[in-house]
Amino acid sequence: EPEVTQTPSHQVTQMGQEVILRCVPISNHLYFYWYRQILGQKVEFLVSFYNNEISEKSEIFDDQFSVERPDGSNFTLKIRSTKLEDSAMYFCASKRENTGELFFGEGSRLTVL
Amino acid sequence: AQSVTQLDSQVPVFEEAPVELRCNYSSSVSVYLFWYVQYPNQGLQLLLKYLSGSTLVKGINGFEAEFNKSQTSFHLRKPSVHISDTAEYFCAASNGGSYIPTFGRGTSLIVHP
Repeated sequence: EPEVTQTPSHQVTQMGQEVILRCVPISNHLYFYWYRQILGQKVEFLVSFYNNEISEKSEIFDDQFSVERPDGSNFTLKIRSTKLEDSAMYFCASKRENTGELFFGEGSRLTVL
Repeated sequence: AQSVTQLDSQVPVFEEAPVELRCNYSSSVSVYLFWYVQYPNQGLQLLLKYLSGSTLVKGINGFEAEFNKSQTSFHLRKPSVHISDTAEYFCAASNGGSYIPTFGRGTSLIVHP
């Protein structure tokens, strides 16, 4: 069964460093998303991406964040200069149709020291 | 945008007992509702969804949920739980405009033998 894959599963980084989280969405999906979950808190929407551009973003998704679909398969989330409060589980998700269900990856845990 | 409330952070229950996990959302206008499950060290998996039609929705693993427009609720139920149902359960809602789900904080279901 096709699935969304994310790498790395866990990354530890120093404050101020750049981090890139990678996702391979399901191959025939057209809509891509990043969510995050700070430990013990809600799963929060960050950004959605369709047709090679951001379609929506939340207040969390500030200038430190960027997304890219560099080729036909990968979808990346970059945090330019990490802060302690960026420590969270980051989930990638995709769907084929706008009204369809989201398929999630297993998440990438980011720890900022 | 929707807001989603899951009143119970943790629900302990004995094996083979029935369980209800509560979820309330903020707006009934063109609402789409979802329940996701997250097993330890795994991603979010869709249990069931309500888009339209019958208010009683059946999902995987014997779970069902009922859309109640007057009470703005979408509670998840299972008549007899199993140890393997121990997991984190997330309720999510989206509006017809954006189709981007907003998640609740999650409810940890703990099934005891």
